[in-house]
Amino acid sequence: DVKVTQSSRYLVKRTGEKVFLECVQDMDHENMFWYRQDPGLGLRLIYFSYDVKMKEKGDIPEGYSVSREKKERFSLILESASTNQTSMYLCASSWGKGRRTDTQYFGPGTRLTVL
Amino acid sequence: GQQVMQIPQYQHVQEGEDFTTYCNSSTTLSNIQWYKQRPGGHPVFLIQLVKSGEVKKQKRLTFQFGEAKKNSSLHITATQTTDVGTYFCAGLHKLVFGAGTILRVKS
Repeated sequence: DVKVTQSSRYLVKRTGEKVFLECVQDMDHENMFWYRQDPGLGLRLIYFSYDVKMKEKGDIPEGYSVSREKKERFSLILESASTNQTSMYLCASSWGKGRRTDTQYFGPGTRLTVL
Repeated sequence: GQQVMQIPQYQHVQEGEDFTTYCNSSTTLSNIQWYKQRPGGHPVFLIQLVKSGEVKKQKRLTFQFGEAKKNSSLHITATQTTDVGTYFCAGLHKLVFGAGTILRVKS
């Protein structure tokens, strides 16, 4: 079974803090994704990585950055957290280097609250 | 840019009734995926449709891809309480998720 794990299920941070969300997958997938999920808006892609040290902006990259130093690990960074970044963050991975069309396997999510 | 609209946003059905959610894209899609997210859980892949007019079945679930590859539907026959959750479509070329349909089932 594919396993995608995220470092925290719940996280509370203060405005202006730097926040790191970690994601690890154990299936040697090339592609990794970060989404945020908000009620009524579905899943919105923040960043996508198709290889180590490679990344592409998604639909809402502002205020976020990412790091992929190793194939199995994809980190989402909030340089200076703001209250409008309070959300559920979902990491996913898939086969098919560079293709977005393959089945995505999601982690359990991190519910981030920024006070 | 590509947009994927999903309706209804929310549906509450009596156990045993049928349920349908619809997904409509502003542009032609290369394929479409459907995911289910149980309350408190994460999205889980259900199926992918690729061909124009394609119909696939998984037990009580029927998935259709429109002839023009701009719309899709998921139909559940005789809903059960285990069907509760949010159903998302995801349209590709560019991976864009619909907002999801929340299904609640009254027993």
